Formats: sequence, C-alpha cells, structure tokens
Amino acid sequence: GAVVSQHPSRVICKSGTSVKIECRSLDFQATTMFWYRQFPKKSLMLMATSNEGSKATYEQGVEKDKFLINHASLTLSTLTVTSAHPEDSSFYICSARSTGGNSPLHFGNGTRLTVT
Amino acid sequence: RKEVEQDPGPFNVPEGATVAFNCTYSNSASQSFFWYRQDCRKEPKLLMSVYSSGNEDGRFTAQLNRASQYISLLIRDSKLSDSATYLCVVNRRSGNTPLVFGKGTRLSVIA
Repeated sequence: GAVVSQHPSRVICKSGTSVKIECRSLDFQATTMFWYRQFPKKSLMLMATSNEGSKATYEQGVEKDKFLINHASLTLSTLTVTSAHPEDSSFYICSARSTGGNSPLHFGNGTRLTVT
Repeated sequence: RKEVEQDPGPFNVPEGATVAFNCTYSNSASQSFFWYRQDCRKEPKLLMSVYSSGNEDGRFTAQLNRASQYISLLIRDSKLSDSATYLCVVNRRSGNTPLVFGKGTRLSVIA
C-alpha cells in the first residue's frame, strides 16, 4: 500500500491565486521530504528538500518565495505555489524514505496543477 | 553532460520479446541505483534496486558496471502491461539525499 499520501491529486486555479499541496508520510516519520516537478515529456526535477523544523533547501533556479515549503511535523510537508501563473502548470510530486538513507524513495500520487 | 542519460526510445516490441535498456551516469561517487517505472500521468513507482553483483526479479534483470558508470535493465517475455516509461535513477551520495532521475525510456509492447 501507499506509504506517502499527497493531496489534492488535481487542481485547477486561476492565475494569481495560491495553491497548497499536502504530502503526508503514512506509518513512518519523515524528517526529510523531497519535492519534485515534472513537465510533460520531461524528467522529474528536484525542486527542494523539505526539512522538519527548519528551512527548506531549494535547488538552483527555484524561487523560494514563490514555492513556500513548510514541514511543521514529522509526517506532513506542504508546498504552496503562490501567485500561480500558467507556466507553473505542472505535475508536482513529493517523496520520502521510510527506511535508511540508501533505500529508494516512495512517491506520493502527485498533484496535477493547471493554472488558467 | 547530464547526470543520468538514457535513450528516450520509444522501443516498440511485440509481446514475448526481450528488450534491454541502458543508462549512464556521470558522477563516479554515486552510491545507489534504481529502476523506476512511470505510467502516463502517474507517479514513479520502484521497479527494482540495482546491486553491484547484478540482480533479478522475475522477468526483470538489472546490472551495474561501476567502472563504466553504466546500468542496464533487461525485460524478458514482455507483456502488454510492461508498456510504460522506465526511469534510471541514481543517488549521488549516501544518506537521506534526493534521487536524480534520467528522462526515461518509453516502452510500448504490442500485441
């Protein structure tokens, strides 16, 4: 069964509004979660590393003021896309490890964001 | 040079065929390796880890050549349900660090 749950799975919003995406680890504590983004026919690109109780680490080129990450508990990380624009339309996916550092990542089911 | 490179395909094969995918990675310090499968408009799902000695899981065999920085995936007796994009994935360092994904190789198995 799923070990990482993501919500919502699909959202359509108007340009200029903000959208919050939730990522939960199920039955395990995740001090670190990873947020990826995937444009059509492109590879998954890491956006940021979400750290429980501290600031997220953003990849080069990802605006931290636009993509707000909050990891306030050991089982929940949120990504808020602020003032969304059509070019932010993408597939956003969170992930976490349930076991040791060299183990594979488990992914949430993803959120397909469409900004009109 | 991209950190993980794969032939994007598509590979169109008949049912029952054997198909092989290759992948190269640029960071010689990479610690762990995986193949993920991604269906259209879905999240990636782990297919198998890749071990230095090579490993097999049913119809799937993965190989790793650290000297050549090369990873492969062999699928035997292809099924229609194997149609998907196969992602070569690398963990750069030990510890709880993010994975780096290749662009994927698209496989279509045809009846």
